[in-house]
Amino acid sequence: DVKVTQSSRYLVKRTGEKVFLECVQDMDHENMFWYRQDPGLGLRLIYFSYDVKMKEKGDIPEGYSVSREKKERFSLILESASTNQTSMYLCASRWLFSGSTGELFFGEGSRLTVL
Amino acid sequence: GQSLEQPSEVTAVEGAIVQINCTYQTSGFYGLSWYQQHDGGAPTFLSYNGLDGLEETGRFSSFLSRSDSYGYLLLQELQMKDSASYFCAVSPNFGNEKLTFGTGTRLTIIP
Repeated sequence: DVKVTQSSRYLVKRTGEKVFLECVQDMDHENMFWYRQDPGLGLRLIYFSYDVKMKEKGDIPEGYSVSREKKERFSLILESASTNQTSMYLCASRWLFSGSTGELFFGEGSRLTVL
Repeated sequence: GQSLEQPSEVTAVEGAIVQINCTYQTSGFYGLSWYQQHDGGAPTFLSYNGLDGLEETGRFSSFLSRSDSYGYLLLQELQMKDSASYFCAVSPNFGNEKLTFGTGTRLTIIP
């Protein structure tokens, strides 16, 4: 079975703290993604990575950075957390040659609260 | 830019049929996907339409009309476990890197 694991389901951080969200996939997928999910706004793409050490900005990259040192791991970093970054964060992955459907496999999410 | 519209909430009766619509305005379009997400769970892929017409997968079908910038997800023989949120998503190109999601439709099934 395909598995995308996000290290923390729930986190509570204080404004200004540095936050790391970790995501690991066990399917040897080339592409990995970080989305943010907020009520009424759907899923919005923060960053994605084509392959190791490669990254591209999504639609809402401000305030975030990412790291992909190994193929199976994609980290989302909040350099200085702010209250407007309180959200559900979803990691996803897929094969490079996933055909026309481009099916994404998602983790169960990390709910971050910034106080 | 990309924008997708879908109803925020739909309620349907167990055993019945329900249709969830999605209209899109996008600068590029390659295909339309549908994902299901149960409360507290991960979104999971349901279907994809790259060409006009109907795609059927068991109780679920999805339809696309590129000329109308419109698609829908049809769920038949509704079961209580179908209560979930459903998202349409547009692929702007073959690689689908910047998949854009709609805001989601919360489907509630009642006995």
